Amino acid sequence: GENVEQHPSTLSVQEGDSAVIKCTYSDSASNYFPWYKQELGKRPQLIIDIRSNVGEKKDQRIAVTLNKTAKHFSLHITETQPEDSAVYFCAASSNNDMRFGAGTRLTVKP
Amino acid sequence: GAVVSQHPSRVICKSGTSVKIECRSLDFQATTMFWYRQFPKQSLMLMATSNEGSKATYEQGVEKDKFLINHASLTLSTLTVTSAHPEDSSFYICSASFPRSGELFFGEGSRLTVL
Repeated sequence: GENVEQHPSTLSVQEGDSAVIKCTYSDSASNYFPWYKQELGKRPQLIIDIRSNVGEKKDQRIAVTLNKTAKHFSLHITETQPEDSAVYFCAASSNNDMRFGAGTRLTVKP
Repeated sequence: GAVVSQHPSRVICKSGTSVKIECRSLDFQATTMFWYRQFPKQSLMLMATSNEGSKATYEQGVEKDKFLINHASLTLSTLTVTSAHPEDSSFYICSASFPRSGELFFGEGSRLTVL
């Protein structure tokens, strides 16, 4: 089955800096890669996703890149703000079977 | 985006009792719903995949007799924790798969505390 690894587990940046979170997956059949933001005690919220026919996608300060050959994808947050502080999960999905990374706790210091 | 509602958000029960958690997709029909368990500061651990009209598919290590899942309609899946014990205390979250796109929408989560 699919195995998703996520790094780093914790990330601390200064407000205004960029943050990058990386994930790798094992199942070459995976074709959908969402990223979720989860604040303490709340539900995960989809922030951006990418499908396997696209290499990069951007939405304002958030971007995701996908390298299918290497089986890795990354989340990039630019101009970070304190409200970006949360846990971020990557996921990889194939045929409705979605697996999550272990999560990255991002702290943005004002 | 689509809305998934989960109820109750918090439940405290005595050891040995059973607890039912409901997950509803409010504005779309979900043939597939998922149940997760999340320990503090950890990732979402998939417990089972709930398919409408058929038996749930459980992940390895998850006791199907302990965690009963029923997906009786296209908008409702329920998780019943039977004979709950303190070690079952956790944050349980459901998600529903949006048709065709496969996007997941999560419920608010249910925090179960077993005394």
